[in-house]
Amino acid sequence: EAQVTQNPRYLITVTGKKLTVTCSQNMNHEYMSWYRQDPGLGLRQIYYSMNVEVTDKGDVPEGYKVSRKEKRNFPLILESPSPNQTSLYFCASSLGTGEQPQHFGDGTRLSIL
Amino acid sequence: SQKIEQNSEALNIQEGKTATLTCNYTNYSPAYLQWYRQDPGRGPVFLLLIRENEKEKRKERLKVTFDTTLKQSLFHITASQPADSATYLCALGDEAGKSTFGDGTTLTVKP
Repeated sequence: EAQVTQNPRYLITVTGKKLTVTCSQNMNHEYMSWYRQDPGLGLRQIYYSMNVEVTDKGDVPEGYKVSRKEKRNFPLILESPSPNQTSLYFCASSLGTGEQPQHFGDGTRLSIL
Repeated sequence: SQKIEQNSEALNIQEGKTATLTCNYTNYSPAYLQWYRQDPGRGPVFLLLIRENEKEKRKERLKVTFDTTLKQSLFHITASQPADSATYLCALGDEAGKSTFGDGTTLTVKP
């Protein structure tokens, strides 16, 4: 089944403790992206990657890192999480940019205390 | 900066009626616009895409219009059903890879 898989689905952690949210897709998609979704602010793009070893900042990249060493994986790293990074995070992938529809994972709910 | 506004946070309609959702954008000249559906606890799911040179697109009970002069897209669900209740998002993107989503409109269809 074609899918985007995020782990963990839920995480409660404390300020400053490094964490990684993994994202994997099995559709051989070139493009992958991370979003955060907050009430009243909608979906905001954090980082995106158009191919292996190519990453670019979205609208809200501060406090996040990403890497794209393999086509299928696009982990999101919070080196020193802070409470304002408490949010619902989505990973997405698509065949390419432009018109290609994005396929989303089911989300990761992060709570930073 | 680019901005997308969707008409209202919530829209309540009676089953069988047509739901109309609005997406307005500023500081953008998109080549296309997409609509997604999001159910609680799930990621958005792609529904329709409309290009700048297309006035209207249909898919079953869904219809999307795109007016680049008004900088607006309308999303219609005809003969609405309770199963259509969800949050609907519009999105603009560019060839460089950046995507901008609206806040979404939560549609509730009452039996």
